[in-house]
Amino acid sequence: EVQLVESGGGLVKPGGSLRLSCAASGFTFSSYSMNWVRQAPGKGLEWVSYISSSSSYIFYADSVKGRFTISRDNAKNSLYLQMNSLRAEDTAVYYCARDLLGHSGGFDYWGQGTLVTVSS
Amino acid sequence: DIQMTQSPSSLSASVGDRVTITCRASQSISSYLNWYQQKPGKAPNLLIYAASNLLSGVPSRFSGSGSGTDFTLTISSLQPEDFATYYCQQSYSSPWTFGQGTKVEIK
Repeated sequence: EVQLVESGGGLVKPGGSLRLSCAASGFTFSSYSMNWVRQAPGKGLEWVSYISSSSSYIFYADSVKGRFTISRDNAKNSLYLQMNSLRAEDTAVYYCARDLLGHSGGFDYWGQGTLVTVSS
Repeated sequence: DIQMTQSPSSLSASVGDRVTITCRASQSISSYLNWYQQKPGKAPNLLIYAASNLLSGVPSRFSGSGSGTDFTLTISSLQPEDFATYYCQQSYSSPWTFGQGTKVEIK
């Protein structure tokens, strides 16, 4: 069974940093591209970042470019999101999501999400 | 960036109704269009990818159509478990973008 479990969320002050993790199991992690998608409270979905299976390709939404860094460790079946210079508008539930094989940009499995709250 | 616009933003329907949700892209995205269902407090679930391909395990009452800029999601006979918010999403070019969502409520 495919499982994605996020961790690392919490309350952080504006300008602070946080590192999210996503532990993957039930599939060959190293064969799949991965993404982070977020959802502000009561709002819609916003794609945040993409990383290819071997980390050769990385993309970011303009809203986080230069502040967030996506990475992965295929040996540990883990995906990460380093978030720096956090702003109030970064407050959201952050989901890790697996790319649908052969249809990049479609997300076929999602974690349960981890809440990041940026507030003083 | 490609803008995705869904209509309506919300709708009320009864069990057994046929429901159609539309999604329009700000430029042609070929068939790079996905549909998700999200229930309150839960992660989204992929229903349809590449405009019309039903993900394995998704009930056949869900269907998708369209190409270019105009797409539809149809639920042929609404079931109680289908009351949720539905999002379209383009995977034609980065940044991947979502529609604003359509909330399907019980009439």
